[in-house]
This record gives sequence, C-alpha cells and structure tokens, in this order.
Amino acid sequence: NAGVTQTPKFQVLKTGQSMTLQCAQDMNHEYMSWYRQDPGMGLRLIHYSVGAGITDQGEVPNGYNVSRSTTEDFPLRLLSAAPSQTSVYFCASSLQGRDNSPLHFGNGTRLTVT
Amino acid sequence: EDQVTQSPEALRLQEGESSSLNCSYTVSGLRGLFWYRQDPGKGPEFLFTLYSAGEEKEKERLKATLTKKESFLHITAPKPEDSATYLCAVRISGANSKLTFGKGITLSVRP
Repeated sequence: NAGVTQTPKFQVLKTGQSMTLQCAQDMNHEYMSWYRQDPGMGLRLIHYSVGAGITDQGEVPNGYNVSRSTTEDFPLRLLSAAPSQTSVYFCASSLQGRDNSPLHFGNGTRLTVT
Repeated sequence: EDQVTQSPEALRLQEGESSSLNCSYTVSGLRGLFWYRQDPGKGPEFLFTLYSAGEEKEKERLKATLTKKESFLHITAPKPEDSATYLCAVRISGANSKLTFGKGITLSVRP
C-alpha cells in the first residue's frame, strides 16, 4: 500500500518558470490537500479538495492552482515561480472532509526557486 | 484568530529521562487535536487524535492528554529513536479537514 506519493522529491526552478507538483493516493480518500512547510513556521494550507471536481483555497493560495479530475490525483501548479515559493510542499489526504479521520502525508517535494 | 503554540521549540534529553511537550491552543469550536511525528526528510506521521478535555491516549512510550486549553505529549523513558520533530494541530468546527499546525518541537534523545 503506497499511501500518498509525491513527485518529484526535489526541484530547482528559475524565477518565472512554471511546473506541476504531482500527488497521488491509493486509499480512495475523498479529501486531499496541499501544505507548505517553511523554517520557523507551521504547515500552512495552500489548497484543498473534498472530492473530484471540487477545490477550494486555503490560507496561502496565491501563485498556485489546483484541479481534481480524479479521486486519486491532486496536482499543484506553480504558474510563475517566485523565490518566495521556495519551500517544502506536502500533499495530504484523509477519508472524508467532514469526519475527524487523520491526514496522511506524502514525503514532500523540496522546491528551490532561484 | 485561531492559534496553536508549541513549547519548548527544542528539547534535548538523555536516554531514559522522561519529559513532556506542550501544545496550547486558542480556538473556538475544537473538533479534534492531533499529534504527528516528523522525521527529517519525511512527511508527518499520525500519532494521536484527542477530542475532549480529560481524554488520554497512549502508544508505547508516548501518552497524549488534553485539557480545555492545552495538550501534553508525555514521553516516558525515551530512546534515541524517539528523536524527531513533534507537531500539534487542531481542527475546528466547519473547517472540513483543515488543520492549523503549531511550529513543532524538535526532540533529541542522547544515548
């Protein structure tokens, strides 16, 4: 059981470039989300989805887009990378959005924007 | 504004030296308080969920407790393999599965 899989593990971008961070889960979870983790700060929610075709913004959504065409996949797109987006990005999923099931996290993508 | 504060920021223990990690919160409508463990280069790994004041949960050398204002993660006779960053997070009513995280406590256990 792979759980939550994120690719790539590492990425270096130049300012202005775009890219997509991939996230897939094989647990049939309805809820999926993206967090970023920066030194000295807690994990912060970027975007989330309560099911295929439904997405919403978290607390730091600017500069990022998401879509959810299938239950399994929830890619995060950086439209025009900026140095402020240098961070470690985590994808997380849970069974449903309304219950209290815990989030399951992937192992992250470490992104550097120069 | 909902806040989660963890203390201390870092803790160094000798193997076998028991201690506690603190997570204090100021939120309205707490639906659950979560503890996670995070190893370097890895994603957070779920440990416990606590729902109401007075609740306690245990797993091996770890015991989590909850009051109306804070949660403690007690570590009894820690081993070097307990070294990690411990994250606390809260979920409030009406927030789907959104978690608000504290900054984490880095625990180092020396042999």
